[in-house]
Amino acid sequence: QITLKESGPALVRPTQTLTLTCTFSGFSLSTSGVGVGWIRQPPGKALECLALIYWGDDKRYSPSLKTRLTITKDTSKNQVVLTMTNMDPVDTATYYCAHTMTGDSPRYWGQGTLVTVSS
Amino acid sequence: QLVLTQSPSASASLGASVKLTCTLSSGHSNYAIAWHQQQPEKGPRYLMRLNSDGSHSKGDGIPDRFSGSSSGAERYLTISSLQSEDEADYYCQTWGTGFHWVFGGGTKLTVL
Repeated sequence: QITLKESGPALVRPTQTLTLTCTFSGFSLSTSGVGVGWIRQPPGKALECLALIYWGDDKRYSPSLKTRLTITKDTSKNQVVLTMTNMDPVDTATYYCAHTMTGDSPRYWGQGTLVTVSS
Repeated sequence: QLVLTQSPSASASLGASVKLTCTLSSGHSNYAIAWHQQQPEKGPRYLMRLNSDGSHSKGDGIPDRFSGSSSGAERYLTISSLQSEDEADYYCQTWGTGFHWVFGGGTKLTVL
């Protein structure tokens, strides 16, 4: 059974760096083809892909946000970490991580974690 | 530019059928998409992958009531025998340059 769970701060101040952790079970990021992605959803708005990382450390970033994002993995801990710099109130959103395979969609999603950016 | 367009809302009666539409932008009519369901206050759930020829493959445990079809640049999700738990937001998703995911704006389905 594949499960994913996001964790991180609920509140971040403007200009700070956000660090989110996705802890997963039921699969390994050392298995060929496996990947984990981060997606966010501002309140009442649509989903937006942020970044993906694959088993071989191949990384993909949203073109509009790539200067602010870093995605890394810790295979031994079954974790993927997303950092986003220079946070702004418009970054207020629920952040999801999801399991995927190369060329596939997000197949299994976490429950999401709400991050509010406010002073 | 790759854009997925969805109607903001749709409604249908309990027990009826509904067809939701996702339209691919010009020049991308041969793209495959995926459909995801997001029930209120929950994370999304993968429903299916839908190819340009209308063939589709569903995710684990997705009922037969959910089906997909395609016509030109349009991709459809049909839900038959609507149930109250089908009231949700439905998002289509495809693959942009570098294979990152691109999502449509979503359709809010109300079951009357």
